[in-house]
Amino acid sequence: DTGVSQNPRHKITKRGQNVTFRCDPISEHNRLYWYRQTLGQGPEFLTYFQNEAQLEKSRLLSDRFSAERPKGSFSTLEIQRTEQGDSAMYLCASSSSGEYYEQYFGPGTRLTVT
Amino acid sequence: EDQVTQSPEALRLQEGESSSLNCSYTVSGLRGLFWYRQDPGKGPEFLFTLYSAGEEKEKERLKATLTKKESFLHITAPKPEDSATYLCAVLSYAGNMLTFGGGTRLMVKP
Repeated sequence: DTGVSQNPRHKITKRGQNVTFRCDPISEHNRLYWYRQTLGQGPEFLTYFQNEAQLEKSRLLSDRFSAERPKGSFSTLEIQRTEQGDSAMYLCASSSSGEYYEQYFGPGTRLTVT
Repeated sequence: EDQVTQSPEALRLQEGESSSLNCSYTVSGLRGLFWYRQDPGKGPEFLFTLYSAGEEKEKERLKATLTKKESFLHITAPKPEDSATYLCAVLSYAGNMLTFGGGTRLMVKP
């Protein structure tokens, strides 16, 4: 296992369309996180899963965003009725639940809404 | 609310010119402070975790230190391949998400 993977790497969509991204975490990690990063800014937390349970969601997360992690393995992030303001890099990270809390990030999915 | 501020926003160095990046934070109970490196168009790459004031960690030309209010990332004799954005983040006992600063964009000229 070489790390966190994300697909697709790039997505261009028209305003109003729905998009879905996938994240495959490091295999032994039971914690999974989604972040969003805009140009020149640090990543911003969106949501967190422990196994299949979604335990935390950002107050800033619009109801157009939904995330799932069936069976506690891969996760999907869906954005409905995309807006131009949704254009960003969407990052997935995973970590173990042991003593150390390091989150390891994937390469990200770059979303462009036209 | 946890807050992280990084300075400077951008730093230009000549190869071999040592310097430090600053990360100031306020957090309701620090569980850990993290440094990441991010290259353009890629995800953040984990560098260090610091857990308590006084702790130091080193990796090649990088050394991270932690006090109760800030962390420094010292870069000794940098090389052009050290050019990247360096991100600082905190994890508090109040939740499981990282709160990031805006990053320092480091450019090392040969």
